[in-house]
Amino acid sequence: AQSVAQPEDQVNVAEGNPLTVKCTYSVSGNPYLFWYVQYPNRGLQFLLKYITGDNLVKGSYGFEAEFNKSQTSFHLKKPSALVSDSALYFCAVRPTYILTGGGNKLTFGTGTQLKVEL
Amino acid sequence: EPEVTQTPSHQVTQMGQEVILRCVPISNHLYFYWYRQILGQKVEFLVSFYNNEISEKSEIFDDQFSVERPDGSNFTLKIRSTKLEDSAMYFCASSERQGSTQYFGPGTRLLVL
Repeated sequence: AQSVAQPEDQVNVAEGNPLTVKCTYSVSGNPYLFWYVQYPNRGLQFLLKYITGDNLVKGSYGFEAEFNKSQTSFHLKKPSALVSDSALYFCAVRPTYILTGGGNKLTFGTGTQLKVEL
Repeated sequence: EPEVTQTPSHQVTQMGQEVILRCVPISNHLYFYWYRQILGQKVEFLVSFYNNEISEKSEIFDDQFSVERPDGSNFTLKIRSTKLEDSAMYFCASSERQGSTQYFGPGTRLLVL
């Protein structure tokens, strides 16, 4: 069974500082990894994904994530945080299509609340 | 930019009543999903739907739940007899093809009293 762990319920960072939101995963075979963001009273917005290729993936709003197979991690990063980045961030995983025989189910972590302060 | 829409945004119902949650997926997408998020908990997969059939469902998706694509644009989730524990935020999502990125709607907050 696949699973995702987001070890931090909340991350606090000062505006202008770099931020990291951690995610580790467990899945059979190669993973497809995703980050979504949820602003208050809004749905889940797609930020970025890793399928294959370069371990550093760039996404929306200046976010990037680094895939590390040996550590089974996919941490979300941004070089310089903005107050407007404050939101709930979810990491999600699903196994590769071939292994699942077609399953598209995303398994989410519990979410990390990011708070960026002036 | 195309987006998934959901109605209503909020629904309050009495235990035992039927509810229908509605979603309009992105127009050229072929795969549709429902997820739910109980307050304070993680987002959980309920069901995926393709070519007018359920392609995958979770243990949560029991006989009280059903999905339907009644026309060319809507995708619905029906809960036949709601229970208190069905109170949650329900998200619809769609993807263009198998394995591609799933785009989520804003959710319907369901409260069962």
